[in-house]
Amino acid sequence: SQQGEEDPQALSIQEGENATMNCSYKTSINNLQWYRQNSGRGLVHLILIRSNEREKHSGRLRVTLDTSKKSSSLLITASRAADTASYFCATVNDSWGKLQFGAGTQVVVTP
Amino acid sequence: DAGITQSPRHKVTETGTPVTLRCHQTENHRYMYWYRQDPGHGLRLIHYSYGVKDTDKGEVSDGYSVSRSKTEDFLLTLESATSSQTSVYFCAISGGLAGATGELFFGEGSRLTVL
Repeated sequence: SQQGEEDPQALSIQEGENATMNCSYKTSINNLQWYRQNSGRGLVHLILIRSNEREKHSGRLRVTLDTSKKSSSLLITASRAADTASYFCATVNDSWGKLQFGAGTQVVVTP
Repeated sequence: DAGITQSPRHKVTETGTPVTLRCHQTENHRYMYWYRQDPGHGLRLIHYSYGVKDTDKGEVSDGYSVSRSKTEDFLLTLESATSSQTSVYFCAISGGLAGATGELFFGEGSRLTVL
């Protein structure tokens, strides 16, 4: 069963706009991570936020975590065509590092 | 890029045949994972390893076995492939400074089609 559920499933925006996607999960977590996957490629780690953190930034990425609501959001500011990809949230809730993924949000950024 | 190589990258096989996918890493990471990716399901964990000869099942392990005889190699075997095992398989590693609960590094995937 999936731990994370992303919303929306798909997002289409223009270059320069911001893209926001949300992730909800079901059980307590150690940390939550966001990954990007370009078509036909492997997943690339974007950012990790621990359960005791509320917000984290990395370049144009901003991630928030609300453990009381069991939810997280990923904001990509000033999007570029190169941001076109699928984005996945994944949670870790044990010491073995097993990630549980959601189904992903497909983002298309048009020039 | 993390040194992870998956082979083969593409394979077409027939129902009932055995298939072995290989994951090779040059990072000396302790933890290795096999995931499968199917439309609408994200990635689901098949098996994982926390050391040489130490493996355990994930959420979708039925029909799959794994072996890890060396730190750098993690093999995924489908003893008798079925059409439901048509998927893209990803190997991942972790266990650097962040330990097991840090980021995962993924290979480029192995696309398996079972006819």
